[in-house]
Formats: sequence, structure tokens, C-alpha cells
Amino acid sequence: AQTVTQSQPEMSVQEAETVTLSCTYDTSESNYYLFWYKQPPSRQMILVIRQEAYKQQNATENRFSVNFQKAAKSFSLKISDSQLGDTAMYFCAFQLMEYGNKLVFGAGTILRVKS
Amino acid sequence: DTGVSQDPRHKITKRGQNVTFRCDPISEHNRLYWYRQTLGQGPEFLTYFQNEAQLEKSRLLSDRFSAERPKGSFSTLEIQRTEQGDSAMYLCASMGSPNEKLFFGSGTQLSVL
Repeated sequence: AQTVTQSQPEMSVQEAETVTLSCTYDTSESNYYLFWYKQPPSRQMILVIRQEAYKQQNATENRFSVNFQKAAKSFSLKISDSQLGDTAMYFCAFQLMEYGNKLVFGAGTILRVKS
Repeated sequence: DTGVSQDPRHKITKRGQNVTFRCDPISEHNRLYWYRQTLGQGPEFLTYFQNEAQLEKSRLLSDRFSAERPKGSFSTLEIQRTEQGDSAMYLCASMGSPNEKLFFGSGTQLSVL
């Protein structure tokens, strides 16, 4: 079975600074995707970034980047130049490329950006 | 394309009542997923459809839960004889083809009193 662990229940960061959210996962499969989703107070689930496991290059989307360490099964999210609008719950998620593509989510990390 | 739409946004019901939620996926999306999210937790997979076929159901989906996607477009999730433990956010998501990105709706928040 696939599992996703987010060890930081809460994090805080000052506006304009950088923060890193941690995620580890467990699987015996080799073909999969990893995601970070953002869920603001509106509870709309918003895709932040996606990483294909077969790609060694770390994914980047504007101020968001990941550090993907496949051997260590680690997938951290770095947010640069943090903004107040980044305040949200962040979920790490794992998706097999087979078996229906269903997502397995971690428990989430609450990020608070302070002014 | 207006995204994944869910109705209602909120539902309050008394224990023992039946409730039904609706999800309209993004047009032409073949795959449709239902997830349940309790407060402070990540979403948990319930079931998914490939067109009108329900291909997988989680053991979380007790016999009081039933989902349909009769014409391969919108889907409904019904909970019979609701219990307080059913209180949660029910999220719907759709995907155009296998391994494409998953798009979520805004969810239906169910409160069972």
C-alpha cells in the first residue's frame, strides 16, 4: 500500500522569506507522480506543482519548487518570496500511473505567512 | 469550461436521513473521482468512474453509500441513513485521460446533527 507522511503539522514564515515543507512517501512501484496541493480556507483544492517520478529534474512553478529525492522517497516543497496569499493547508499526494490514478494524500501542513 | 461543479455547497441533515450530492465534471472528462475529507485531514479516496463504469470502491464506502454516473457525465453520491460520523467534506474531481492532471470541485460540506 502507498502511504504519504507529512511530519510538520504547522509551519509559519515571514512574508518575503523562504519556507520548505517536508513530505516522505512509501511505495514499491516505480512509475508514479507526486503532487503538492494547496487548500485555502475556501477549501478549494488547488494544484501547486506536479513531479513525474521518471524525471530527475526537479519541477518548478514560479515561486514554488520541489526537491525530489527518489531513493530517499522524499518530496519537499520550497516556497520562495512567501506571500500572505500562500497561507493555506498544503497536501503532499502520490499517484500511481496505473490502478486508476487515484491520489493518496498526506495529513497536510498548515502554513501561515505573517506580515 | 467552468471547472468541476458540485451541488449543494453545504448540507445539514438529521441523523437517519438520506442525502444526495451531485458532481458535474469538466466537459469531456472521462474519469470522475469521489473523495471524503474530515477536518484537519487529507482527502481519502472513496470511488472512481471511467465513463459510466464504477471501477473501484474503497472499503470506506459502506453499503449505506452508493455512487452513480449513469450517462458518463454527471455523478451522484447518495448516503442512506446518515450517521454523525458521515459529517465531512465530499470532494469530486475529474480527469480527462489517464495520467493527466486531476481537477477538484469546491466540495459539499455535510453536517449530520
